[in-house]
Amino acid sequence: EAGVAQSPRYKIIEKRQSVAFWCNPISGHATLYWYQQILGQGPKLLIQFQNNGVVDDSQLPKDRFSAERLKGVDSTLKIQPAKLEDSAVYLCASSSLALQETQYFGPGTRLLVL
Amino acid sequence: AQKITQTQPGMFVQEKEAVTLDCTYDTSDQSYGLFWYKQPSSGEMIFLIYQGSYDEQNATEGRYSLNFQKARKSANLVISASQLGDSAMYFCAMSSRDSSYKLIFGSGTRLLVRP
Repeated sequence: EAGVAQSPRYKIIEKRQSVAFWCNPISGHATLYWYQQILGQGPKLLIQFQNNGVVDDSQLPKDRFSAERLKGVDSTLKIQPAKLEDSAVYLCASSSLALQETQYFGPGTRLLVL
Repeated sequence: AQKITQTQPGMFVQEKEAVTLDCTYDTSDQSYGLFWYKQPSSGEMIFLIYQGSYDEQNATEGRYSLNFQKARKSANLVISASQLGDSAMYFCAMSSRDSSYKLIFGSGTRLLVRP
């Protein structure tokens, strides 16, 4: 069974530029999560989708971050414009529809904003 | 609000010995899950073990076991027979219905296995 796929793996941009990350969850997984992990910290949830609907986006900085989940499968996370403090690893995870199910993570995208 | 506390920023263990990584949690929810993940230097989060709040037996997965003490709100990870490949960051996390099942992570413990 293929795992969660993410691209790109690394990205370097200058502040005020825009960037987009892509995630393809495990086949059949209805729930998709985007987490931000700043160096030295545990991941923090940015947004949670169930199928193509948003369940929780309370921690998403909506003035600069946006996310969508196309047809309930792939998802993209966009930052526009980027700030220095957005430098982090962006992790995508997915889980099945059942409650309390384990979340499986992709390899992450390391973003450096200069 | 849910909270996970990992008080050990770093730990050393000798190869082939057992090690315990501490985790305490705080929640008012009656139904919750506790997870441990391993994060090697490559960055991916690898699921290790899960314990449900209503599970009476401690969870085990190969060399990993979870020492669940509900009254003390602790969920310590025990790694037996440590291997060099166990050197990584380890994160304790919880999810609950009140938090829409998103994972709340601790700050992590860096484990270094010495040969």
